[in-house]
Amino acid sequence: GDSVTQMEGPVTLSEEAFLTINCTYTATGYPSLFWYVQYPGEGLQLLLKATKADDKGSNKGFEATYRKETTSFHLEKGSVQVSDSAVYFCALRSRSPGLVFGAGTILRVKS
Amino acid sequence: DAGVIQSPRHEVTEMGQEVTLRCKPISGHDYLFWYRQTMMRGLELLIYFNNNVPIDDSGMPEDRFSAKMPNASFSTLKIQPSEPRDSAVYFCASSPQAFTGELFFGEGSRLTVL
Repeated sequence: GDSVTQMEGPVTLSEEAFLTINCTYTATGYPSLFWYVQYPGEGLQLLLKATKADDKGSNKGFEATYRKETTSFHLEKGSVQVSDSAVYFCALRSRSPGLVFGAGTILRVKS
Repeated sequence: DAGVIQSPRHEVTEMGQEVTLRCKPISGHDYLFWYRQTMMRGLELLIYFNNNVPIDDSGMPEDRFSAKMPNASFSTLKIQPSEPRDSAVYFCASSPQAFTGELFFGEGSRLTVL
């Protein structure tokens, strides 16, 4: 079945450091790919998405490129802030409207 | 605009009791999803509805779990009887008919079964 694998956390960075959170997927066909973010005590919010190969999703300084050849959708940000501390989820949608989520990666940014 | 509204935010109950979680989706959204979040299993899709009709309930763990959507603005997830392993955060999410992939999540209901 469809699945998403994310790098394990927590990831701890200093403010202004470069961020990469790895995400790979297994799916039939051509899934759409997403990154969601969850702040403490809140629900998940869509951060960015890409619907076909080589698409780049971007939002709030975060970027991710849909790489079909490596089945990956890694999240990057050039300079993280303390306010970026949260849990980040990679997800895919393939044959059903429901999203399949990865395990989530905790990001902690220190000032 | 109001987002997805869930209640209660926190529920503590004893094993064997009935638990009912409630969700009001965003007006105009025709898809509604129930997810469960635990440390061990992450986010699991339990069931989803389209136009108030359950489409896929293959994620519902046991017969103790049931979900209904009597109208477009209300859904319930019921656990009867509850067990300690049901302790989790339960999220409701909704999405518009023109499904773009974005799910709008509520803040979740944290359930603790003692």
